[in-house]
Amino acid sequence: DTAVSQTPKYLVTQMGNDKSIKCEQNLGHDTMYWYKQDSKKFLKIMFSYNNKELIINETVPNRFSPKSPDKAHLNLHINSLELGDSAVYFCASSQVRGQGWNNEQFFGPGTRLTVL
Amino acid sequence: AQSVAQPEDQVNVAEGNPLTVKCTYSVSGNPYLFWYVQYPNRGLQFLLKYITGDNLVKGSYGFEAEFNKSQTSFHLKKPSALVSDSALYFCAVRDRNSGNTPLVFGKGTRLSVIA
Repeated sequence: DTAVSQTPKYLVTQMGNDKSIKCEQNLGHDTMYWYKQDSKKFLKIMFSYNNKELIINETVPNRFSPKSPDKAHLNLHINSLELGDSAVYFCASSQVRGQGWNNEQFFGPGTRLTVL
Repeated sequence: AQSVAQPEDQVNVAEGNPLTVKCTYSVSGNPYLFWYVQYPNRGLQFLLKYITGDNLVKGSYGFEAEFNKSQTSFHLKKPSALVSDSALYFCAVRDRNSGNTPLVFGKGTRLSVIA
């Protein structure tokens, strides 16, 4: 069974469109994350949710909106897509409660977004 | 503020030789330190971490790393490299007393093991 899964794996779309990426983890973790990896492989945190509550919200355009319907899911919706949004987006999860912030994160396979 | 530096973009090593991938960090307090590996078209996989205690940490696939507080370093090592170790390696740090501040990743080092 895949621990952290993302859909879709590839997403090709036109500028100005709205799109969503879904993430699910079956590890029972209480914290989930969205990262963006650019073309130079630089990895940057975007958001983090702990028990469905937003706890990390880095400097990201408000066109990006995360939604966590429950602890096992964290979706990313992007409005009015721009060329610069092209990247690989990774979802991750970890267990914080009872373990602390020293616990390792488990990453999904990534979603490659291409904006034309 | 916390930061991590991986001074080498690329490391090349012959199969069977020892390998080292360098990492230095900066935090105001004491660090949690991690190494992750990324294979092509895959997500990151956890290799090992330093929390406290023994400065030499052993992890997956025969990798180990040594925490050196005086040099603020956490270099990744393996005694004998395999071609299958070729991948992108990321060092990451969090200040132990920073609460829920995000994990900060280095820019990555591409390891190429040549047969």
